[in-house]
Amino acid sequence: QVQLVESGGGLVKPGGSLRLSCAASGFTFSDYYMSWIRQAPGKGLEWVSYISDSGATIYYADSVKGRFTVSRDNAKNSLYLQMNSLRAEDTAIYFCARDASIRDGHDFWGQGTLVTVSS
Amino acid sequence: QSVLTQPPSASGTPGQRVTISCSGSSSNIGSNYVYWYQQLPGTAPKLLIFRNNQRPSGVPDRFSGSKSGTSASLAISGLRSEDEADYYCAAWDDSLTALFGGGTKLTVL
Repeated sequence: QVQLVESGGGLVKPGGSLRLSCAASGFTFSDYYMSWIRQAPGKGLEWVSYISDSGATIYYADSVKGRFTVSRDNAKNSLYLQMNSLRAEDTAIYFCARDASIRDGHDFWGQGTLVTVSS
Repeated sequence: QSVLTQPPSASGTPGQRVTISCSGSSSNIGSNYVYWYQQLPGTAPKLLIFRNNQRPSGVPDRFSGSKSGTSASLAISGLRSEDEADYYCAAWDDSLTALFGGGTKLTVL
């Protein structure tokens, strides 16, 4: 069955960096587009980034552009999110999700990893 | 403030039909598919409706989606206590960003 498992969250100071990982299994990872979506405590969902199956096409939300970098390693069935210059407003649960097709719905989600940015 | 506008709350009694609206613009809902997600308390979101009105396998036919112009709606018929959750609409925008609505908290009275 499809599984997405995020890791790498934790407590980081403002201005710091963190790298999130998402391990995929149960499907041919290299065939699918992937996304990162976050949810601040008690708030709604916010799309963060999208990467195509080959990694050649990448989109970011304006709120993270220039600070976050999404990447993937299809040989390792893994998705990554490098987060730099972190701010308090980046505090959230970060979900990785599989996209059903190009710019399509997110048909499977991981359980999320919590990132807390605080001094 | 989200680009896609949803009512913050909705409610109904068991067996009732409830609808949740989602309003956008010509660059998102008006020209792209709409998706709906259900998030039960303490869990990850789940895809409920894709491409405006399609249900993934396993989603009961009590859930239905529709779209007209720059608005969309999710209808839940035969409301059950287990439907109590947060519901989010979503759509891609022509600016190549993905958008979520602010979410609607559904209470089953």
